[in-house]
Amino acid sequence: DSGVTQTPKHLITATGQRVTLRCSPRSGDLSVYWYQQSLDQGLQFLIQYYNGEERAKGNILERFSAQQFPDLHSELNLSSLELGDSALYFCASSPTRDRPGELFFGEGSRLTVL
Amino acid sequence: AQSVAQPEDQVNVAEGNPLTVKCTYSVSGNPYLFWYVQYPNRGLQFLLKYITGDNLVKGSYGFEAEFNKSQTSFHLKKPSALVSDSALYFCAVRDPSGAGSYQLTFGKGTKLSVIP
Repeated sequence: DSGVTQTPKHLITATGQRVTLRCSPRSGDLSVYWYQQSLDQGLQFLIQYYNGEERAKGNILERFSAQQFPDLHSELNLSSLELGDSALYFCASSPTRDRPGELFFGEGSRLTVL
Repeated sequence: AQSVAQPEDQVNVAEGNPLTVKCTYSVSGNPYLFWYVQYPNRGLQFLLKYITGDNLVKGSYGFEAEFNKSQTSFHLKKPSALVSDSALYFCAVRDPSGAGSYQLTFGKGTKLSVIP
């Protein structure tokens, strides 16, 4: 158990809809990363938050947005969903200072867009 | 931009034999390199990392990796494979432009199958 919790584990929705994925990082970790894993694209970095502020941005579509709340949990919002958005979405947290680069991943949220 | 290549989609090895999973990288500046493992229906787990120092890095579950700057490689190794090592292995490099960020670029993964 990594200590990172993601909900929901599975989600099936239709094109054009909007969904929210939630992530609770490990206790004490200030950084949260979002990654998308798909068969054709592999693991793609989407966005990182550190203590409530956006720290780095990757290949995140404009239809996607994220935020980190004061209690450090994070949400990834996906809107106007397309078939190609079907993927496994991972959240990871990092202790940053004492174990740099060691990301702790949740078990992912599997999104299926029909 | 940084990149990671894992030239083998799949590696098969007999239980008890040594295993190697290959990784080459491209990055400007000093590389920060990582190996992660993913078991079926699970998230990725950190195995080991190279940031600086000794070129041979030891990690979890008996794995080690050798950093070779001249060949820009960071191959994952284990002296004796176990069936339980069967999983998907990812090599990753840190984006050096991300000051204070450990945004990682991952390779496409190598599926390791250890045959009893």
